[in-house]
Amino acid sequence: SYELTQPPSVSVSPGQTASITCSGDKLGDKYVSWYQQTPGQSPVLVIYQDEKRPSGIPERFSGSNSGNTATLTISGTQAMDEADYYCQAWDSSTLFVFGTGTKVTVL
Amino acid sequence: QITLKESGPTLVKATQTLTLTCTVSGFSLSTSGVGVGWIRQPPGKALEWLALIYWDDDKRYSPSLKSRLTITKDTSKNQVVLTMTNMDPVDTATYYCAHKSPILEWPYWGQGTLVTVSS
Repeated sequence: SYELTQPPSVSVSPGQTASITCSGDKLGDKYVSWYQQTPGQSPVLVIYQDEKRPSGIPERFSGSNSGNTATLTISGTQAMDEADYYCQAWDSSTLFVFGTGTKVTVL
Repeated sequence: QITLKESGPTLVKATQTLTLTCTVSGFSLSTSGVGVGWIRQPPGKALEWLALIYWDDDKRYSPSLKSRLTITKDTSKNQVVLTMTNMDPVDTATYYCAHKSPILEWPYWGQGTLVTVSS
């Protein structure tokens, strides 16, 4: 089965840049989406098709995907960005796969 | 405005069958390209995709849970139903239904419903 691996946690200072990685075999050949989830809330789509932002998502969220790694970057991180982040891709065998999740802490 | 809302039991016993209903509004279950899926999240753990049904009644299931899952839809009622057989305490989770568009994957989610499985 296909798996997506993320670091358990990332810490960032306010105003700095946070980078969250998502690793999977030949992930660059697939489209990756990213979801933000704050405690007690449903996930929110922040990036789709590797780098596109849905309407209403701030420009400080950006994405990239190449090789075996996709990256979500939060530029000028704000306290409100503190949340869990999940990557997601589609694989022909496992179908919809979510990553292991990363907790972003804004110190 | 697209909304989804999950409903069903909050507590089931081990070996029982769970039936969850997702009631949608703001879109039609018969619109070309549209789908509704189920995703769950055990307490403190990651998201796990379970099943998806498309506008044309095409169905997809997680390979690891396929034998236990059935997804159906009632377009006239704007509802999608998920059944999961032989429930176990490890199935304790918040169950979400979500809208799948042709491009955006899962742009809209329900509020989720916590299902606890007792032994």
